[in-house]
Amino acid sequence: NAGVTQTPKFQVLKTGQSMTLQCAQDMNHEYMSWYRQDPGMGLRLIHYSVGAGITDQGEVPNGYNVSRSTTEDFPLRLLSAAPSQTSVYFCASSQRAGLNQPQHFGDGTRLSIL
Amino acid sequence: GQQLNQSPQSMFIQEGEDVSMNCTSSSIFNTWLWYKQDPGEGPVLLIALYKAGELTSNGRLTAQFGITRKDSFLNISASIPSDVGIYFCAGRPPGGSEKLVFGKGTKLTVNP
Repeated sequence: NAGVTQTPKFQVLKTGQSMTLQCAQDMNHEYMSWYRQDPGMGLRLIHYSVGAGITDQGEVPNGYNVSRSTTEDFPLRLLSAAPSQTSVYFCASSQRAGLNQPQHFGDGTRLSIL
Repeated sequence: GQQLNQSPQSMFIQEGEDVSMNCTSSSIFNTWLWYKQDPGEGPVLLIALYKAGELTSNGRLTAQFGITRKDSFLNISASIPSDVGIYFCAGRPPGGSEKLVFGKGTKLTVNP
């Protein structure tokens, strides 16, 4: 049982490049989400999904796309990277939407945009 | 939008001392969660609180869900060097949403 797995762990991009951050969970969790963590800012919600085929925007969605074609995977796409997207990105999951279950986090992807 | 004010921002203590940190908000929350983040890793859940007034312990950690539903505190007793890290509070607002609102964290340093 690997929990929440994020890849890659580190990435450097040039401005304007595109990239997909991968997130997979093997716990059959319905709810998955993406956060970004910036110094002194805590974690801010980017996008979330309450189940396969359903996604919605969080607090800071601009510049990011998501899809949820399977229960296990929830990739985050940067279509045209900008320096402001330099951050640490965390994926999280919880058992079922609406059951008030705590979220479990991956180890993060450290992304630098030059 | 809803915000959580977490304090203090940082703490420097001696090993063996007790620690207290808290989160407050002008909005009510249905759930309070406390996470710890070690360097280079994701946040790990320490304690989850689901009812106003609830007091829950996990080893040397104790957390309470404020009776007004607008605050929560976390206490760590007899701190040890491995308690070093950043502690985050998170709240789930009413309305059935799964969204979590996070505080900005308390960075704890323990001097041996």
